[in-house]
Amino acid sequence: QKEVEQDPGPLSVPEGAIVSLNCTYSNSAFQYFMWYRQYSRKGPELLMYTYSSGNKEDGRFTAQVDKSSKYISLFIRDSQPSDSATYLCAMSDAGGGNKLTFGTGTQLKVEL
Amino acid sequence: KAGVTQTPRYLIKTRGQQVTLSCSPISGHRSVSWYQQTPGQGLQFLFEYFSETQRNKGNFPGRFSGRQFSNSRSEMNVSTLELGDSALYLCASSLGGRRLLSTDTQYFGPGTRLTVL
Repeated sequence: QKEVEQDPGPLSVPEGAIVSLNCTYSNSAFQYFMWYRQYSRKGPELLMYTYSSGNKEDGRFTAQVDKSSKYISLFIRDSQPSDSATYLCAMSDAGGGNKLTFGTGTQLKVEL
Repeated sequence: KAGVTQTPRYLIKTRGQQVTLSCSPISGHRSVSWYQQTPGQGLQFLFEYFSETQRNKGNFPGRFSGRQFSNSRSEMNVSTLELGDSALYLCASSLGGRRLLSTDTQYFGPGTRLTVL
């Protein structure tokens, strides 16, 4: 079983929809949680970063972390066709330096 | 500020050969991490270098190795290539430091696509 599980999709939604992306994890040492977006033939780019449990909002994006359930989410409001990409969750523990453990990614398509 | 650059972008090798990939981090960044991305396994951590020293290592065989130079540029080497080594190899740089701070974002390069025939 992988340390981080993520539904691979693909997920197809109409423009303007609210998108919910989720990951579960098994390692209770994880304290830092990130969401990356990866367009085709590009490297991942960081969207959101949160430490421990709680919510964080940035524009149309909201990240939630529930450490008690070992569950993290990314919400995208008013989704746009330009949001079509693969979304990767990633996490690390306090002593792990820059070692990130990634989910396998969810492919999202926002249709006109 | 220039981003992370990786060379070459594409590479085709045959089984048994070895390959060296190069990564130039963002200016001022001292940490370079390498990841392997495949459709089945996703992104998997290979190793991290900080100030020319390997700081972290993932669960890959010894055929995968790396190094970092005094200017923070990094190379990774894969010896005795296998078909399963076909993947996108991504390099990420960050300022460095013992903990992931809110400012210590990892910036990824575009990757090197390696195909092993």
